[in-house]
Amino acid sequence: DQQVKQNSPSLSVQEGRISILNCDYTNSMFDYFLWYKKYPAEGPTFLISISSIKDKNEDGRFTVFLNKSAKHLSLHIVPSQPGDSAVYFCAPLNSGGSNYKLTFGKGTLLTVNP
Amino acid sequence: DADVTQTPRNRITKTGKRIMLECSQTKGHDRMYWYRQDPGLGLRLIYYSFDVKDINKGEISDGYSVSRQAQAKFSLSLESAIPNQTALYFCATSDPGLPEQFFGPGTRLTVL
Repeated sequence: DQQVKQNSPSLSVQEGRISILNCDYTNSMFDYFLWYKKYPAEGPTFLISISSIKDKNEDGRFTVFLNKSAKHLSLHIVPSQPGDSAVYFCAPLNSGGSNYKLTFGKGTLLTVNP
Repeated sequence: DADVTQTPRNRITKTGKRIMLECSQTKGHDRMYWYRQDPGLGLRLIYYSFDVKDINKGEISDGYSVSRQAQAKFSLSLESAIPNQTALYFCATSDPGLPEQFFGPGTRLTVL
């Protein structure tokens, strides 16, 4: 049973335009949501996060939006740059548990074309 | 210098062999994790450790064992490797009470 779904395996956008990556979850106990970025031959790197008490968090070109009622979050990248081409993973967790275990989606491959 | 290092970076082995993957960190974090990634899938947790005396199974621990030799070192062993353990393996660390985990560069393991 997939608790975290990233339904778009891939996304292609033009440089300078907006990239929107989506993530849906089923576990209502998730209260903290992280996005990771992964380049080939490297480990995932933390990008941005949001707590369930917020509906938006912004860091430079990256903004994450959370809709708790819909159990949906999205990552917006604007303007998109070729260096943003990578796999993006949504990874929520239940911080109320003692283990802080991340649950990863399958990822979305973003390609930003020059 | 890398904060989380993994050795080896690539390994090819044969079915039935015992393999050890090693992870070291200089971040001073108490918590360490082992994940595997298969093509087209997200990362799945194998084992995690919250301190030197604490070891816990993740969602896919069968066929694996771990050893936490020190705060900075966490090793993953495949007792008798099988082809479906061919995957990318990642080590990660985190601070207690903080959700962000920091990943090593990964080990690509191929079991023939």
